[in-house]
Amino acid sequence: QSVLTQPPSVSGAPGQRVTISCTGSSSNIGAGYDVHWYQQLPGTAPKLLIYSNRYRPSGVPGRFSGSKSGTSASLAITGLQAEDEADYYCQSYASSLRGVFGTGTKVTVL
Amino acid sequence: EEQLVESGGGLVQPGRSLRLSCAASGFTFADYAIHWVRQPPGKGLEWVAGISGNSDNIGYGDSVKGRFTISRDNAKNSLHLQMNSLGPEDTALYYCAKDRGNYHYGMEVWGQGTTVTVSS
Repeated sequence: QSVLTQPPSVSGAPGQRVTISCTGSSSNIGAGYDVHWYQQLPGTAPKLLIYSNRYRPSGVPGRFSGSKSGTSASLAITGLQAEDEADYYCQSYASSLRGVFGTGTKVTVL
Repeated sequence: EEQLVESGGGLVQPGRSLRLSCAASGFTFADYAIHWVRQPPGKGLEWVAGISGNSDNIGYGDSVKGRFTISRDNAKNSLHLQMNSLGPEDTALYYCAKDRGNYHYGMEVWGQGTTVTVSS
């Protein structure tokens, strides 16, 4: 089972700001490992959304941002759009060679 | 275009073995770590295993350690996952994913996945 905890769901109206938390421990995020975020649209493979805590790959809209502090990380979506409705996962490392994903969060656009 | 294509999935009986493959193209394969990630039906993502570009660094998730073996053939731009002692809990869609660097930098390219079903 995952050691990174996310809220099962978050929702917001179009244009609103929503945040997704990713809570870890001193063994993973708090040990200094970077956090990455992925978006998974229904029926598709995950897509890298944020890497190394706060960087966006080319092509990812600026309304997505990431941050990390202590044993937690957050993903923010500012100006929520209908196409942002998806599952979101954080990912880090539980040791130098063992990766771990968060429990996942379903974002619903009202 | 960077691309990963998984193969080898299928229906297998409990206790048996299966070998997955991942064919890479469009990038210098040996320069990047590759990971296996799986997703049981209707559930979240689980990191399964990872291997660095030169195979010096290999890691496994707790649920597969001792049963699964990841390997790569840089000459053939291919990655493999040998899965032994399979159980129903291993039923999932298995993805291979290319790291942005040599292990810890985020998975930037994903395949379409191959389905493994463990059932009698």
